Amino acid sequence: QSVLTQPPSASGTPGQRVTISCSGSSSNIGSNYVYWYQQLPGTAPKLLIYRNNQRPSGVPDRFSGSKSGTSASLAISGLRSEDEADYYCAAWDDSLSGLWVFGGGTKLTVL
Amino acid sequence: QVTLRESGPALVKPTQTLTLTCTFSGFSLSTSGMCVSWIRQPPGKALEWLALIDWDDDKYYSTSLKTRLTISKDTSKNQVVLTMTNMDPVDTATYYCARSDWLSKLAFDIWGQGTMVTVSS
Repeated sequence: QSVLTQPPSASGTPGQRVTISCSGSSSNIGSNYVYWYQQLPGTAPKLLIYRNNQRPSGVPDRFSGSKSGTSASLAISGLRSEDEADYYCAAWDDSLSGLWVFGGGTKLTVL
Repeated sequence: QVTLRESGPALVKPTQTLTLTCTFSGFSLSTSGMCVSWIRQPPGKALEWLALIDWDDDKYYSTSLKTRLTISKDTSKNQVVLTMTNMDPVDTATYYCARSDWLSKLAFDIWGQGTMVTVSS
């Protein structure tokens, strides 16, 4: 069971806006930055969002991140078929459960 | 251009020790802020962080696997090595290495392609 909680699945139609949640605790999301990764089928994860809401160069502005308290969200607007992937959140954890913790992943389906 | 590549055996027997090597280019692990982590993903399951080594040779391990893991670096060869003892079939997974730049607060910004390890007799 993952330390960070994500919904196992999400879906939307092309052009829609979808959000994926990530719930943690005061020792991880509550006191540290949140990161988001996109994993296309059969490939390595790719950094999508860092420091809660920053996009690396090359990541479209359709992707945005936010954080409030011990929860975070990834929003994807103008959904496209190529966005169909697994999405993971991650954060540094200050407790004894380990330094880095990931969410269980959310499989996004574009209908 | 920053790249990382994992290498190691595709198949190990239960109770054996796994040794994986991450060979990287485009950055130096002696540069302040640079870190390399190992992360694994069992088939169809989530990512799990295993270990991290930083530019200052500080090492950090997943609490649940700490007794089985050792991470080390060879700065001159641009390599990071992970050993995991007492392998079990539940350790079957794709193992990734990934870079972090802690001064920029960029966590796992570049990943290797991963190497699949199967634990079976």
